[in-house]
Amino acid sequence: GQNIDQPTEMTATEGAIVQINCTYQTSGFNGLFWYQQHAGEAPTFLSYNVLDGLEEKGRFSSFLSRSKGYSYLLLKELQMKDSASYLCAVLLEQGGKLIFGQGTELSVKP
Amino acid sequence: DTAVSQTPKYLVTQMGNDKSIKCEQNLGHDTMYWYKQDSKKFLKIMFSYNNKELIINETVPNRFSPKSPDKAHLNLHINSLELGDSAVYFCASSQEGLAADTQYFGPGTRLTVL
Repeated sequence: GQNIDQPTEMTATEGAIVQINCTYQTSGFNGLFWYQQHAGEAPTFLSYNVLDGLEEKGRFSSFLSRSKGYSYLLLKELQMKDSASYLCAVLLEQGGKLIFGQGTELSVKP
Repeated sequence: DTAVSQTPKYLVTQMGNDKSIKCEQNLGHDTMYWYKQDSKKFLKIMFSYNNKELIINETVPNRFSPKSPDKAHLNLHINSLELGDSAVYFCASSQEGLAADTQYFGPGTRLTVL
C-alpha cells in the first residue's frame, strides 16, 4: 500500500521559520511534490524533489532523503498569507499517479 | 487567462440525480486528471487521461464516468448521486503525464448531495 504521513496542524508566528515534515512508504517513487492550498482554493505547486538534498526557492525550501523516505518543507520569514494547508505528494513510477498526504494546516499568528 | 477551468463551481443536487462537471485546460497539456477531496481534505486520484486515452482508473464506483472529447477537455459524469459523493472535485493537467511533470489544478467544484 501507499502511506504518506504529515502532521495535521501546526502553528507558527509571523516572521519565524517553520518546518513541515513528511514521511512516506510507497511502492515506487518518482519524486516528491509540495503543494499549498488556501481554504476554498485549488492546490498550487510549490516544489519538486527527485534527488536527495535541498531545493531552495525564495522563502520556501524543500528537502528530500530517499533512503529515509523523508521530506520537509521549510518556510522562512513567515507571513500571514502563508496560513494554508501544505500537501506532500509522492509521484509513483507507474502511470504518473500522484499520492497525497492528508495535508498540514498551518496557522500563522501575529 | 485561466489555465485550468471547471464548471460549475458549486453544484447542489438531490440524491439519485445525474450530473456532469466540465473541465478545460488551455495549457496544451497532454494529460488530465480528476481528483476527489473529501471533508478531511484528502485529495485522491480518480482518473487520468493522456491524449484522450484512459491511463489511471482508480477503484471508483462505475456511476462515475469520465469523458475526454479532446485532449483539452475532460468531463466527469456522475449517475445516481449518493450522499457520500459530496466533496470537492478537482481537475488537473500536466504535460506528458508519465514523467515527473507538475500537475496544475483547476479551482474545484464543490458538490453537495442532499
